[in-house]
Amino acid sequence: NAGVTQTPKFQVLKTGQSMTLQCAQDMNHEYMSWYRQDPGMGLRLIHYSVGAGITDQGEVPNGYNVSRSTTEDFPLRLLSAAPSQTSVYFCASTYGGFTDTQYFGPGTRLTVL
Amino acid sequence: QKEVEQDPGPLSVPEGAIVSLNCTYSNSAFQYFMWYRQYSRKGPELLMYTYSSGNKEDGRFTAQVDKSSKYISLFIRDSQPSDSATYLCAMSAKIGGANSKLTFGKGITLSVRP
Repeated sequence: NAGVTQTPKFQVLKTGQSMTLQCAQDMNHEYMSWYRQDPGMGLRLIHYSVGAGITDQGEVPNGYNVSRSTTEDFPLRLLSAAPSQTSVYFCASTYGGFTDTQYFGPGTRLTVL
Repeated sequence: QKEVEQDPGPLSVPEGAIVSLNCTYSNSAFQYFMWYRQYSRKGPELLMYTYSSGNKEDGRFTAQVDKSSKYISLFIRDSQPSDSATYLCAMSAKIGGANSKLTFGKGITLSVRP
């Protein structure tokens, strides 16, 4: 089992560019989530999905889009990157809800210039 | 006031010390409490969870919840250099399902000196 994988590991964007962060899991988990982690802010939920075809907003969804066409994949799209989106992004998956064990990916470090 | 406050740290202790990591919270509806450990440049991993008040022990780790004081703690006995990591508390008012979203503390970085 690879668990939760994320690509790329590092990315530098210019303001206004768009990109997609990839996330995949091979544990057949229904729940998948995207978090961002900023110094002094802890982990904040961006978007989440409770199954293929079902997504919802978290605490900080503005500037991000998600889709879930398969159980395995949950990409995060930055529509028009801004310096405020400089952060470390983590994808996580879990079986039955956020209070079940969440398995986190290794993270994507994004810098927006 | 933030819903979850965590001691800012960083914290540095000698090997073998007893470590106490703490979080306070303001939402009395929280009933499920978790501690995640995050090594440098890695994703968080679940360390322990506790439901409602009381203690839970797992090896050198003890999680304690005092709902009357809205205070949770993680104790590490006989700390080891391998315990050097960032520790995040997290809590939820619901258990299971989409409404069980977690509120995280900011995290505290612990360094255990050999």
